[in-house]
Parts: sequence; structure tokens; C-alpha cells
Amino acid sequence: GAVVSQHPSRVICKSGTSVKIECRSLDFQATTMFWYRQFPKQSLMLMATSNEGSKATYEQGVEKDKFLINHASLTLSTLTVTSAHPEDSSFYICSARDDIASGGTEQYFGPGTRLTVT
Amino acid sequence: QKEVEQDPGPLSVPEGAIVSLNCTYSNSAFQYFMWYRQYSRKGPELLMYTYSSGNKEDGRFTAQVDKSSKYISLFIRDSQPSDSATYLCAMTITGGSYIPTFGRGTSLIVHP
Repeated sequence: GAVVSQHPSRVICKSGTSVKIECRSLDFQATTMFWYRQFPKQSLMLMATSNEGSKATYEQGVEKDKFLINHASLTLSTLTVTSAHPEDSSFYICSARDDIASGGTEQYFGPGTRLTVT
Repeated sequence: QKEVEQDPGPLSVPEGAIVSLNCTYSNSAFQYFMWYRQYSRKGPELLMYTYSSGNKEDGRFTAQVDKSSKYISLFIRDSQPSDSATYLCAMTITGGSYIPTFGRGTSLIVHP
């Protein structure tokens, strides 16, 4: 159980365009979802936390107008990178948590999305 | 000083060795401790979690927490080449939003 999927697994886009990444919890209700960014050989950098039906809470230094997060249902969250630039190229990983079932402790990660902006 | 310190490695061991992976932390409020395994270009996978101090065993994996020393460990017995991955520790306080703080991960290479 506790499977999280992400789509697409990798995407290449041109500078200035927008890219949407989907994150789905397949067999549980994700009351909270997280979006991370990971650079090579670096740890996970939390970008934002979202609860279903609420606005996302962004970490300091993360531009909310650039990284649009929507958590429209208990199984789906989307991250849209707007007006992408080459420096946005990174590995984006979502994770999901069922706060009711797990008491808010266990979170499960998606397989990640490799974004390359040319 | 970072809240969670983890040696990035790489740690290279022969197949069959016992592996010890460690993290130290500074926030004494951390109560819940997790270990994740991340293969190259994949998302992290939850391996084990422990609450407060003590040991927890699951097959070849043992997680150990020493709160007095603010030190946690993950031991892997009879290591296999398939264990080659990056291992991230994570920890959180109980109550509140439970947003975990991650270490930077230790790269483990088990060679045949």
C-alpha cells in the first residue's frame, strides 16, 4: 500500500514556457502533500506544503507565483512551474501523507520528475 | 550548525559486510525518526521508522536511536549490491505539522 505516483517522470521544455507536474496518491487519501526539489548529491529541499482544499504554505525563498501548487482533491496535487528558466532544471519530488491514518508521521514519496529547461 | 548532520560518503563496502549509517542532530525535541532509501533518479522509499529511543529490527535492517547522544543509526546486515543507494535520515517533532527535517543522505556502494 501507500503508493504515490508522479507524472511525467521527465520533461524537457523551452525557457519561458510553463510545465505542470501531477502527484497522485493511489491507495490512500493524502490530507497533506509536500513538494520537494533535489539537486544532485543534495538532500531534499522542501518547497511547499499543501492541505486539500487550502492554499499551499511555501517555504522561505520559494516564489509562490512561480511555483503554483494546487491540492484540489484528497488524491491529487499539481505543481506548475511558470515561465521556466534553465535554473529551474531540477528533480522535483512530491510526497503524501494521510494525517488521519498515520497520525501525521509517515509520508510516502513519488518517483520524482526530472525537469530540464533549455 | 545544521539541525541534522549526515556524512554524504560515499561509503564503499564488500558484499556481506555489516553497514553502519549514522546521523546526528541538534534539536532535542525530535521524537520520531525515519530512514529512507533512494535509488538513483528515484523518489525516496520509507525503510523504517522509530519513535523515541531504542532499537527496531526489520529483516536485515536495524534502526537505533540514542536520544541522550542525539545520534541515530541504521545497520544493514549481510549487505547486498542491491542495497547500493543513498540513505537519508529524517526526523520530526511530535505534534504540530510533523514536517520532517532530512539529512543530506549517505551514498552506499556495496560491491560484489
